[in-house]
Amino acid sequence: NAGVTQTPKFRILKIGQSMTLQCTQDMNHNYMYWYRQDPGMGLKLIYYSVGAGITDKGEVPNGYNVSRSTTEDFPLRLELAAPSQTSVYFCASSQTGLPEAFFGQGTRLTVV
Amino acid sequence: GIQVEQSPPDLILQEGANSTLRCNFSDSVNNLQWFHQNPWGQLINLFYIPSGTKQNGRLSATTVATERYSLLYISSSQTTDSGVYFCAVEGPNTDKLIFGTGTRLQVFP
Repeated sequence: NAGVTQTPKFRILKIGQSMTLQCTQDMNHNYMYWYRQDPGMGLKLIYYSVGAGITDKGEVPNGYNVSRSTTEDFPLRLELAAPSQTSVYFCASSQTGLPEAFFGQGTRLTVV
Repeated sequence: GIQVEQSPPDLILQEGANSTLRCNFSDSVNNLQWFHQNPWGQLINLFYIPSGTKQNGRLSATTVATERYSLLYISSSQTTDSGVYFCAVEGPNTDKLIFGTGTRLQVFP
């Protein structure tokens, strides 16, 4: 059971480039989340989804987009990378009725 | 939105000591979880505890929902307890899981 898998683990982007952070879970969870964690700080919610086809903004959605076409996958898209998006990105999932959230290993993104 | 504050921000202990971490939240909650982020960045779920008390080995947690706070107790601390402890809450009528500011714990031998 792989749990929540994020790819890539590390990435360096140039300003203005775009990329997609991948997140897949194999626990059939309906809830999925994207967070960012800046150095020495807590986690801020970017976007979340309560099921396939449904997404909603979190605390810091600007500069990001998401989609949820399947239960398993919840990719996060950066269209025009900026230095302020340098951070560690975490994906998480949970299930209605079993609200413990499970986290992926994180993606460390640097924008230069 | 709901505000989540944790205290203390930093805690330094010698191995074997006990500690109490606090999480205050500004509204009623449907969901409260405690997480440990180890020095390698991995986030591990410790407790789901919107109310009441739970224990797991040397760790226990209590949430007093009516007074809007939760406490995480660590007894006989070990160096492997080092890291950052977060509480995260979900307020009423929302599906957002919001994290607190964290408590950074360092345990020295």
